[in-house]
Amino acid sequence: SQTIHQWPATLVQPVGSPLSLECTVEGTSNPNLYWYRQAAGRGLQLLFYSVGIGQISSEVPQNLSASRPQDRQFILSSKKLLLSDSGFYLCAWSPGRDRGYTFGSGTRLTVV
Amino acid sequence: GENVEQHPSTLSVQEGDSAVIKCTYSDSASNYFPWYKQELGKGPQLIIDIRSNVGEKKDQRIAVTLNKTAKHFSLHITETQPEDSAVYFCAASKGYGQNFVFGPGTRLSVLP
Repeated sequence: SQTIHQWPATLVQPVGSPLSLECTVEGTSNPNLYWYRQAAGRGLQLLFYSVGIGQISSEVPQNLSASRPQDRQFILSSKKLLLSDSGFYLCAWSPGRDRGYTFGSGTRLTVV
Repeated sequence: GENVEQHPSTLSVQEGDSAVIKCTYSDSASNYFPWYKQELGKGPQLIIDIRSNVGEKKDQRIAVTLNKTAKHFSLHITETQPEDSAVYFCAASKGYGQNFVFGPGTRLSVLP
């Protein structure tokens, strides 16, 4: 069966520091991968999605970036965090067909 | 592009009563409509979905109805229980790996 792993679960980082969040999927190949951000009490904002290795599409301009170095690995990065980057970050995958996403357990990022 | 609205934003019901959450979408080409449940501090979990060739789908205490003409779909939870308390998100997609557009969410509280 397919599983999605996301880490770390929580992260406290100072303003201006770098960020690297990692997501991996097991049990499938060539998944569509997604990064979402959820501000406190708010909805799901799509940040990036990828349909294949090295293929990244950005939905929202920001100081974040994403990379997909391997088929089942998706990384969210920042060179310098802002206070406004605080939130709950969710990775998700789909089989590329009209079926529901499977979300990871999320990373709660607090920028101080 | 697609726009998904969701109402109400918060909903409180007594245990054992029914709860209904309604979503409307703007793009008539959307043909896949999943519902997600997000418990506190966790990633959203798919609970039920419906495709545009079906008007209603039921799974135990939850059901989803779709009105393509009016472009709205609803989540129905019967015999609510305290463990149903969570944030519920609807979404719409044109299928075949197209990105989902999520509604802003409904916070459901089931009061004992």
